[in-house]
Amino acid sequence: GAGVSQSPSNKVTEKGKDVELRCDPISGHTALYWYRQSLGQGLEFLIYFQGNSAPDKSGLPSDRFSAERTGGSVSTLTIQRTQQEDSAVYLCASSSGFSGNTIYFGEGSWLTVV
Amino acid sequence: QKEVEQDPGPLSVPEGAIVSLNCTYSNSAFQYFMWYRQYSRKGPELLMYTYSSGNKEDGRFTAQVDKSSKYISLFIRDSQPSDSATYLCAMSAGDDMRFGAGTRLTVKP
Repeated sequence: GAGVSQSPSNKVTEKGKDVELRCDPISGHTALYWYRQSLGQGLEFLIYFQGNSAPDKSGLPSDRFSAERTGGSVSTLTIQRTQQEDSAVYLCASSSGFSGNTIYFGEGSWLTVV
Repeated sequence: QKEVEQDPGPLSVPEGAIVSLNCTYSNSAFQYFMWYRQYSRKGPELLMYTYSSGNKEDGRFTAQVDKSSKYISLFIRDSQPSDSATYLCAMSAGDDMRFGAGTRLTVKP
């Protein structure tokens, strides 16, 4: 596609429910990133996929968070048993995967846990 | 100490002013330096990209990198109300990208 596409753009969920956030990266991009941005805060790295390599999960805040990338393209970030502190915007980004190449962001999925 | 330090502001300037935004970093391996602009409720968009030390100019925007001081800057000349946004610095040594906290800028008409 022309850009990184994320869905849903907005999600309100009840505490304790599971949520899935989807990211469709730019066509041909092998690297995919998930970040979290809380209100007024910087970008918090969550997870990074590069081609067929094992993902870098070092940023996932707890075992309630998981992500997968099927077929090297679309990725899903899953948050189980959501908590109010999970409320944030979840940003997906992709790049061509070459060293130093810039990353391009989607518009984000705005999650509110009530 | 954070790997990338950026003053979150907020910064408010009158229209037409020159704006200076800065970041410092600690990892001397960083070679690629970027500035992203993020409007309210939007994803960050790439504004400037610089490799290693030096200056890069694009219209009203100038990015400077001083690797010896581990210091990068973004200058905005003749600032406009449409420049009001959060500006995030970013840097990497390869695929590992690190972001500053972002500086919130308001340009008042």
